[in-house]
Amino acid sequence: DVKVTQSSRYLVKRTGEKVFLECVQDMDHENMFWYRQDPGLGLRLIYFSYDVKMKEKGDIPEGYSVSREKKERFSLILESASTNQTSMYLCASSLVSGSPREQFFGPGTRLTVL
Amino acid sequence: DAKTTQPPSMDCAEGRAANLPCNHSTISGNEYVYWYRQIHSQGPQYIIHGLKNNETNEMASLIITEDRKSSTLILPHATLRDTAVYYCIVRAPSFTGANSKLTFGKGITLSVRP
Repeated sequence: DVKVTQSSRYLVKRTGEKVFLECVQDMDHENMFWYRQDPGLGLRLIYFSYDVKMKEKGDIPEGYSVSREKKERFSLILESASTNQTSMYLCASSLVSGSPREQFFGPGTRLTVL
Repeated sequence: DAKTTQPPSMDCAEGRAANLPCNHSTISGNEYVYWYRQIHSQGPQYIIHGLKNNETNEMASLIITEDRKSSTLILPHATLRDTAVYYCIVRAPSFTGANSKLTFGKGITLSVRP
């Protein structure tokens, strides 16, 4: 089974702190995604990576950055956390070749910024 | 991606089959039907996908009408652990970059009662 793990299930941070969310997948997937999920807004893509050191902005990249130094690991960084970044953060991975390519999700990190 | 329409909620008795409908009347010829579910406070979980033939795996069956304008996800023997929000998504298989993102609608909330 594909396994996508996220470093924390719950996280509480203060406004202005730098926050790191880590995601690791064990199936050698090329694609990795960071989404946030908010009530009434569904899933929104923050950043996407299709290879080591490669990244693309999603729909809502402002206030976030990402790092992919190794194929299995994709990190989301909140440079200076703000209260409007309180949300559920979901990491996902998928193959880039073959069709169709379902995404496998981690358990999520519920981040609260005070 | 084509739009999908699902009723907001339904329930079924434990041990009975749960039939979850989805309308996708604007589906294109190369678009697949995917189903995901999200149990409360967890990441979404891939269930099944299909193009035009009916599909079955260890979790569920997917029945797609001949005109492909609607489909039904069947959980043959629902358990309490199947209580979740189920998302029907229609999308083409070949896409790159941030277009690989998943777009979840509101989904259908399935409540399995004892």
